[in-house]
Amino acid sequence: ETGVTQSPTHLIKTRGQQVTLRCSSQSGHNTVSWYQQALGQGPQFIFQYYREEENGRGNFPPRFSGLQFPNYSSELNVNALELDDSALYLCASSSGLAGGTLSYNEQFFGPGTRLTVL
Amino acid sequence: DAKTTQPPSMDCAEGRAANLPCNHSTISGNEYVYWYRQIHSQGPQYIIHGLKNNETNEMASLIITEDRKSSTLILPHATLRDTAVYYCIVRGNSGGGADGLTFGKGTHLIIQP
Repeated sequence: ETGVTQSPTHLIKTRGQQVTLRCSSQSGHNTVSWYQQALGQGPQFIFQYYREEENGRGNFPPRFSGLQFPNYSSELNVNALELDDSALYLCASSSGLAGGTLSYNEQFFGPGTRLTVL
Repeated sequence: DAKTTQPPSMDCAEGRAANLPCNHSTISGNEYVYWYRQIHSQGPQYIIHGLKNNETNEMASLIITEDRKSSTLILPHATLRDTAVYYCIVRGNSGGGADGLTFGKGTHLIIQP
């Protein structure tokens, strides 16, 4: 167990709807990253938040957005859902950033939220 | 981040050592080698990382060649619970991690009873 929790575990939505996924970081971690994992593929980086600010983004459109709260928990929001958004969504927490620490590369993943878009 | 190449799948007998190779011929001097694994229906789990020296922890050993162009993750006494997809990731400590970890397709290790 990593101490990272995600909710809900499973979700079914229809095309065009909006969805919010939630993540609670491991205690003491100030950085959270979100990943999308399609079936049979490795996780793909969506974005990262550090101290409530978006710190970097992968190749995902603006309809994927996020928030990080003062307690370092986080949300992933996806608008205008498409069938290809069906995937396992993973969040990972870590401590620190570059500048003398490698700890952000040791990321602790939650169990994921399985999203199905019909 | 440097690109990595791993075999898509491997088998290993329970109780034997599992040796998982990874090629990273374009690795640069400040990039580390990280290994994660993902057991079915779970999130990825950090295993180990190293720069140029061999590393060992309670889960595994990491052997990096002298030229750093390849590495091997060793699970010394594989159990059925080690069946998972293993990802080799090469990454530096600059850039703030703002582009996240780059996962390939990894190696699906199957431990046979």
